[in-house]
Amino acid sequence: SQELEQSPQSLIVQEGKNLTINCTSSKTLYGLYWYKQKYGEGLIFLMMLQKGGEEKSHEKITAKLDEKKQQSSLHITASQPSHAGIYLCGADLTSGTYKYIFGTGTRLKVLA
Amino acid sequence: GAVVSQHPSWVICKSGTSVKIECRSLDFQATTMFWYRQFPKQSLMLMATSNEGSKATYEQGVEKDKFLINHASLTLSTLTVTSAHPEDSSFYICSAPIPLGQSWSSYNSPLHFGNGTRLTVT
Repeated sequence: SQELEQSPQSLIVQEGKNLTINCTSSKTLYGLYWYKQKYGEGLIFLMMLQKGGEEKSHEKITAKLDEKKQQSSLHITASQPSHAGIYLCGADLTSGTYKYIFGTGTRLKVLA
Repeated sequence: GAVVSQHPSWVICKSGTSVKIECRSLDFQATTMFWYRQFPKQSLMLMATSNEGSKATYEQGVEKDKFLINHASLTLSTLTVTSAHPEDSSFYICSAPIPLGQSWSSYNSPLHFGNGTRLTVT
């Protein structure tokens, strides 16, 4: 089974709608990253969360880390077609080695 | 600007040939780098940890004789796909962390990825 599960696997929303993507770990999280990607292209760094309860925002994207629940969520407010892509969470499950594994990915499509 | 450079960005090769992919840290020394593989519509899968001056550590199920990793200097790791077959066609991407103890505040995050290499084996 996957150590890092994302939900939903895919999402289609109308432009302007809010959405949330979840990333749940089966192990303790020692840092979590959110990335955006288009398949076959590089990763676009969104946010890094390191402490339980930490919340960060950038433009219309907010990410939170719930350490106790071993979970992170990514929330997009007023989605736009430019938000479309694959969202990946990556986590360090081995305490500071930066040996990151990635979640299963969430494919987002935003309809104009 | 990019702090990790990966080259080439794409390559097409014939079955049976070998292909080398380079990953360079541009303005920091990376004693460790990581190699990932991504199949279409799937997530990134960690293949191996590249260690400067020592043997790479491979994840379970990854053939070390198939995917040769060399980390000969503090700024360069290479992944060579040997005797490539069509099933090796994939997107390969490397990452390099800023060394522990070194400030990464000017880099936005301690971990950086290359832009990836799309390998097509015909």
